[in-house]
Amino acid sequence: NAGVTQTPKFQVLKTGQSMTLQCAQDMNHNSMYWYRQDPGMGLRLIYYSASEGTTDKGEVPNGYNVSRLNKREFSLRLESAAPSQTSVYFCASSTDRGSNYGYTFGSGTRLTVV
Amino acid sequence: DQQVKQNSPSLSVQEGRISILNCDYTNSMFDYFLWYKKYPAEGPTFLISISSIKDKNEDGRFTVFLNKSAKHLSLHIVPSQPGDSAVYFCAAGYQKVTFGTGTKLQVIP
Repeated sequence: NAGVTQTPKFQVLKTGQSMTLQCAQDMNHNSMYWYRQDPGMGLRLIYYSASEGTTDKGEVPNGYNVSRLNKREFSLRLESAAPSQTSVYFCASSTDRGSNYGYTFGSGTRLTVV
Repeated sequence: DQQVKQNSPSLSVQEGRISILNCDYTNSMFDYFLWYKKYPAEGPTFLISISSIKDKNEDGRFTVFLNKSAKHLSLHIVPSQPGDSAVYFCAAGYQKVTFGTGTKLQVIP
């Protein structure tokens, strides 16, 4: 099925461990995004990539790094996980940055850091 | 600084009645507005959008109204159905999209 695929769906990490969240889209979208969703906070932008080869910080980038590997794939890395990074992470893509046609979201990765 | 606000965390409506979800924003630079719907354990899905040059956009049972002078938009769902029960996020865009905190809608059969 066309869309945005995120892996893994669930993950438990110990404080200080590292991991990479993977995201791939097959809609030929230029722009890709990583959001986190926390209770009462809505969706907050971590990093985005307006096009292949470019990445920029969003609202809450501290503790994260990203890689736009190619047009399809955009990964999010936690180098040293902290309990504050316990959240649900969503990857999204769009035809253009700031598209009026909306973003397509993946189904999310639920991350718990203990 | 919460630029997009959804002040009602939850809303309950009887099936068949109108659901009205509200959203306020502070940044006058926003030039388009969107609503997303989210079911548990799924990602948000795009529902409807409106450009700042319009004051109304309709798509089937869903209508979005924009009042630029009040910096307010609303989503009307008529008639409401049990399958509409979900969390609804308001979002506003300029160079990037900013999301509100969401309103959980429960449609009671």
